[in-house]
Amino acid sequence: DAGITQSPRHKVTETGTPVTLRCHQTENHRYMYWYRQDPGHGLRLIHYSYGVKDTDKGEVSDGYSVSRSKTEDFLLTLESATSSQTSVYFCAISSPAGRTYEQYFGPGTRLTVT
Amino acid sequence: GESVGLHLPTLSVQEGDNSIINCAYSNSASDYFIWYKQESGKGPQFIIDIRSNMDKRQGQRVTVLLNKTVKHLSLQIAATQPGDSAVYFCAENSPAAGNKLTFGGGTRVLVKP
Repeated sequence: DAGITQSPRHKVTETGTPVTLRCHQTENHRYMYWYRQDPGHGLRLIHYSYGVKDTDKGEVSDGYSVSRSKTEDFLLTLESATSSQTSVYFCAISSPAGRTYEQYFGPGTRLTVT
Repeated sequence: GESVGLHLPTLSVQEGDNSIINCAYSNSASDYFIWYKQESGKGPQFIIDIRSNMDKRQGQRVTVLLNKTVKHLSLQIAATQPGDSAVYFCAENSPAAGNKLTFGGGTRVLVKP
């Protein structure tokens, strides 16, 4: 998985609790992304980062926040989890060397909100 | 592991036959198109890409065709093997989108022995 790890790999949490998912890369790539994957919707971008402390929203950012204090770590936080946020979450990275569209994905985190 | 989806279009292929997976894209300004493969329980894996100024590109056992007139992209897999069983996604990138990709819904390929 191109030097990308995600933690935890599985999590069950209750509605209303905060949840933080971590993505860690060893590739020193500048760009990092968080996606969610749901049946019938494919992969949808939540937030992305183009450098340390530089982040922007994707198409489904409501209810999520992110932080990137180091090149290698990109955190996704659900401030107050809802059942609609039950999903599989993927982190991805890409390099700006002329091929930023070539993204490499982590193994995913399955989150269940009960 | 992580599952992809229960209601994807499915292509059943006999082992050894060629597979053709189709994708319709939406943005005529997109300048890069990419195919990803996702095996059960894993993240998507980059397969091949093509620029909008090309209509064909070949890789190892795979060929991508681009028809900009009808905004259609296809992935051909030669001599399909059991290891090709997966969900395949197309994705597009446009200059206006910066470094963001827009993914299609995916097609499941099942290889029959």
